[in-house]
Amino acid sequence: DSGVTQTPKHLITATGQRVTLRCSPRSGDLSVYWYQQSLDQGLQFLIQYYNGEERAKGNILERFSAQQFPDLHSELNLSSLELGDSALYFCASSVAPHRGEKLFFGSGTQLSVL
Amino acid sequence: AQKITQTQPGMFVQEKEAVTLDCTYDTSDPSYGLFWYKQPSSGEMIFLIYQGSYDQQNATEGRYSLNFQKARKSANLVISASQLGDSAMYFCAMRVQGAQKLVFGQGTRLTINP
Repeated sequence: DSGVTQTPKHLITATGQRVTLRCSPRSGDLSVYWYQQSLDQGLQFLIQYYNGEERAKGNILERFSAQQFPDLHSELNLSSLELGDSALYFCASSVAPHRGEKLFFGSGTQLSVL
Repeated sequence: AQKITQTQPGMFVQEKEAVTLDCTYDTSDPSYGLFWYKQPSSGEMIFLIYQGSYDQQNATEGRYSLNFQKARKSANLVISASQLGDSAMYFCAMRVQGAQKLVFGQGTRLTINP
């Protein structure tokens, strides 16, 4: 158990809908990362927060947004969903975004858009 | 830009044999960290081993060791005495100093045969 909690584990929805994925980082970790894993794109970095502030953005679509709350949990909001958004979405956390800090991953949310 | 290349999409190894998973990286930054993660069929991402660019010795963690060849920009994972439970996807990743995200390779699917 990595200590990172993601909910829900599975999500099935329809095109055009909006969903929210939730992540609770490990106790003491200030940095939260979101990744998308799909068969064709591999593991793609979406966005990172540190202590409530956005620190880095990757290949995140404008339809997607995220935030980190004062209690350090984070939410990833996906709207106007398309079939291509079906993927495994990971949240990860670390103490700080130092080059040597390993990321602890949650078990992921499997999103299926039908 | 950072880039990780894993040239072996799949590997098949007999149980108890040693296996080497290849990873080459590209960065112009002298300060970076290299990571290996394991993703079993259950989907979670499990941290295995870390190597810093200034580390003088190759990293080891139990049956895992990292064959770090800085001049060749390679960071191969060696698993000794492979076990059936080692069957999984393995990802090499890198983060340079000052960068927020971890960049992943495409992964290698390792299958251990009895």
